[in-house]
Amino acid sequence: DAKTTQPNSMESNEEEPVHLPCNHSTISGTDYIHWYRQLPSQGPEYVIHGLTSNVNNRMASLAIAEDRKSSTLILHRATLRDAAVYYCILRPYQTGANNLFFGTGTRLTVIP
Amino acid sequence: EAQVTQNPRYLITVTGKKLTVTCSQNMNHEYMSWYRQDPGLGLRQIYYSMNVEVTDKGDVPEGYKVSRKEKRNFPLILESPSPNQTSLYFCASSFGLAVYNEQFFGPGTRLTVL
Repeated sequence: DAKTTQPNSMESNEEEPVHLPCNHSTISGTDYIHWYRQLPSQGPEYVIHGLTSNVNNRMASLAIAEDRKSSTLILHRATLRDAAVYYCILRPYQTGANNLFFGTGTRLTVIP
Repeated sequence: EAQVTQNPRYLITVTGKKLTVTCSQNMNHEYMSWYRQDPGLGLRQIYYSMNVEVTDKGDVPEGYKVSRKEKRNFPLILESPSPNQTSLYFCASSFGLAVYNEQFFGPGTRLTVL
């Protein structure tokens, strides 16, 4: 499976934008890029996903590099509730086990 | 409210005493799975089920059993728990296997085996 690389930790001030990077240099043409986050003492929750084009939803934006070897999750205004571990995950476009490979992710600290 | 529930949330037990962790979802999802989360290892899939009476092993199935008799429920069974099964367990469900289907996770069950 293609692997992702993320910084171990990042900090952001409250109400400022946050850009969380993810490198996936071995991504294949049919791999989707998914982001999940895990708030303290909770299960992971879906944030956003994309294939080639940039994507926006109510939670975040996903910017995908033209060569697809990296992507960035953008939180437009960080709140204290956004403090979590963010996971960048590649999912191959194929049927079968729906296994999500969670690496160690990026721990985001939001400073009031 | 659409959700995945797990019970119990916390459990301390002793080696060899059979236990069951229940998982239920109210979204009519076909796909359900169990993960365990350990420090430095991330989440690893234990078992998954693509529909009623259809289950298969994930990456770390040893020491675990599952069953899927009803669509909404997917219990995790530890017939003879051992200390190396001390972990944080998550149940997850999704509508199907399509790559764009998001997975919904339960709140977790923290298990300690003494």
